[in-house]
Parts: sequence; structure tokens; C-alpha cells
Amino acid sequence: DTAVSQTPKYLVTQMGNDKSIKCEQNLGHDTMYWYKQDSKKFLKIMFSYNNKELIINETVPNRFSPKSPDKAHLNLHINSLELGDSAVYFCASSNLGSPQHFGDGTRLSIL
Amino acid sequence: KNQVEQSPQSLIILEGKNCTLQCNYTVSPFSNLRWYKQDTGRGPVSLTIMTFSENTKSNGRYTATLDADTKQSSLHITASQLSDSASYICVVSPFHTGNQFYFGTGTSLTVIP
Repeated sequence: DTAVSQTPKYLVTQMGNDKSIKCEQNLGHDTMYWYKQDSKKFLKIMFSYNNKELIINETVPNRFSPKSPDKAHLNLHINSLELGDSAVYFCASSNLGSPQHFGDGTRLSIL
Repeated sequence: KNQVEQSPQSLIILEGKNCTLQCNYTVSPFSNLRWYKQDTGRGPVSLTIMTFSENTKSNGRYTATLDADTKQSSLHITASQLSDSASYICVVSPFHTGNQFYFGTGTSLTVIP
């Protein structure tokens, strides 16, 4: 009964492809997030969704688009993948002011 | 310049020893400061969360302190264990911004037998 689950755990694909990463949380939280962790282990927030509304959108390329079909899911779509997109992507969820619960990450490698 | 700086960048200690990790921030005013532990290959897990009015919070062998005047926080680990080997991340939330967060660059701790 994983609290925040991401799929796939590993994703290896070629430059120029389009891919999606899925995230689901069963904690009843009202906010979900996507983070990118680079090779230096620095976590950078990409998006956050609260009650199906985007409330944070950092300066990420518009090739990245979050999609939330309901409060328990926040998927990440990436178009025209580039070499620099290689990283670990983490999904997280929380209620306002409470600690975030993270998934175990999706390791994306671009060939 | 990152608004949350952590030191040291990496640390190696012997099992059973204590250690202290530092976090300096410039975020002001701030709502709360959190420490997370991230094991290799896993997502970060929350250790402590302190509001601006708190100056210490414990979670087992982990004790976090906060000095809002000097904008410094520390995470003290007592009687370290091999399982403490991980990255420790300091995260600061600005006041009245809901779900905005500033992440530190992390400290990589290795505990050796």
C-alpha cells in the first residue's frame, strides 16, 4: 500500500521521443508536485497542483506538461525529449503546510 | 545564489559517533523549515518540521534546531548507525506562500563501521 507511487521506475528512450510518467497518491492529500533531481542531487520543483489547479509553474520548458485527471493523480508528459532531460523525476503529495510524501522516483535516461 | 545553503557538502563518520549538519537560509519571512532524509535510490522522507516560532524538534536520534535570528538550522544525529548513510536536505517555505519551497543542495552522509 505505497503512499505515493510512480511508474515507470526506469525509463530509457531516444532523443526526440514523447513519454509520460504516472503518479498516484492514496493519502487523500490535496496537492501534488513534480520535482527534477539532477546529477548533483539538487531537487528543483517543476509543478504543483492543488484541487486540479496549477499553483506553481517554475520556468520549465513547455515540452513538459502536467495533467491531473483527479485529485489522486498527477501525470507528467514530456514532448521532444532532449539529452538534458536526463534526471530523476520525483512525484510528491501533501496537504497545505504538512510535510511532503515523495515517491521513489523515475530515472529517465535519454540516448 | 541559492537561498538555502547546506554544509558540509559531504561527511564521513564512524558508526556510533555524533554529527551535526548545517543549513543557512536567506528566505525571509519564512513559515517553516524541514529536514528530509533521502536514501540512495529512494525519495526524500520527512524527519522534522519546525515553524518560525520553534527552536528545536526531535525525532528519535535526530534533533533539529532553528535560530530564526541568524537564519540557521542544524540537524544533529546522535549515535550514528550505518543506516543513517543518506543525503540530508533542508527545505524552507516562505511565509504565506502556501506550497512554495526552497531546497538546499543537501549533505551526503556516509557512516562507516
